[in-house]
Parts: sequence; structure tokens; C-alpha cells
Amino acid sequence: DAGVIQSPRHEVTEMGQEVTLRCKPISGHDYLFWYRQTMMRGLELLIYFNNNVPIDDSGMPEDRFSAKMPNASFSTLKIQPSEPRDSAVYFCASSFALLAGPPGGTQYFGPGTRLTVL
Amino acid sequence: GQNIDQPTEMTATEGAIVQINCTYQTSGFNGLFWYQQHAGEAPTFLSYNVLDGLEEKGRFSSFLSRSKGYSYLLLKELQMKDSASYLCAVRDPSQAGTALIFGKGTTLSVSS
Repeated sequence: DAGVIQSPRHEVTEMGQEVTLRCKPISGHDYLFWYRQTMMRGLELLIYFNNNVPIDDSGMPEDRFSAKMPNASFSTLKIQPSEPRDSAVYFCASSFALLAGPPGGTQYFGPGTRLTVL
Repeated sequence: GQNIDQPTEMTATEGAIVQINCTYQTSGFNGLFWYQQHAGEAPTFLSYNVLDGLEEKGRFSSFLSRSKGYSYLLLKELQMKDSASYLCAVRDPSQAGTALIFGKGTTLSVSS
């Protein structure tokens, strides 16, 4: 398997612009997670899906952030409008199960999207 | 509340042994994961503990004490390629929907 795929790998945009991050999970994985990583706050869960349905979005910072999963092989994280404080690395991860040990419960991470908002 | 603490940085020399500690305070517990993250790359799974005791996997071992809210990752025969950030993550099913809570990571620098 190719692993979790994310695009773009790098994104530089100006404040106020819309940003869309994309993720393709590992085939057969029922759970998809979006994380944000910064030096100050570490790795934080933003939202996760089970079978394409959002289960918990309590980590989404504010209404400027939205996430969708139209099918089992694709998810997007959108920021509109973007702000400089959104600059971070955004990771997508997937797993087969939620409350299980490895390998089923292990989350596999994509390479991340490094977002810079000027 | 939920809290996971790890030292920010550690240094060691090639061939040595290093222990990275992790303490956690969470409402519930359903497993602890260790991930390795090289600079500019994604976290990759290293080890998992759900019961007390030591899990050994080659040069890496991980220990868990649930009563103390404590875990450590032990790296033996250190190599330069072990220079990375090591993330401790706790699964807390008592938090509605929360999957994994990550510590901020320990950056390990291995020198020759």
C-alpha cells in the first residue's frame, strides 16, 4: 500500500485566502484523523471521521476551519479565511480501528502539509 | 484535565542507552503509544503498552505503570539515525471522541 497520501506538501498563501488540504487514507481504514502540529502546542487532534462521518470536531479551532469526507478514499480540510496563526504542519492519519492495539488501532500518518500564511 | 509530560530535549552518544520518560494524567486509559518523528517527516509507530510491564522490540523497549501514570521508552545501542523526536501518546476513551492525546515530544540528539 502507498500509505496515507497528502497534498500539497507545502502551501504558502496570504492572509485571507482560502486553503484546501487533501488526504487519501490507507485503503480499508475506517478512521481518518486530521492533526495540526506546532512547536508551541505539539500535535493536536482537530477532527476525526469514522466511515466518512465526522465523529468529533471539538478540536477544530473555529468556524474558519471545516472538514469533509465525501467518500472512503478522500478527505479535505479547508481554512477560510486563513490567518498567520494557522501556520503549522497539518497531518492526516488513518487507522483500521479506534480502541484496539496494533496493528488495527495504530494510526498511520501521512507526510503532512506545511502551511505558511503570510 | 488531561496532561502528558515529557522532557523537551535529551542528548546521548552513539552506542549508549537512553531512557525517555513520559508521565500522564488522564481521566481514562486505553493504551499508550510511542511514535518516532524525524525532522520534517511524519510520526511513525514504535511501540504500544496497555498492560503494566515491559515490551521489547529489538533495540527499543517500552515500559508502563498504570498506577503511577508513567511510561518510558528505552533505546539501546544508540545510532546516529535515532536522532529524532519521540512522542508519547495516551488513548483516553473517557473523552468523547478523543482518540489519542499526544505529548509535545522529546527531541533526542545522538552524537558520535
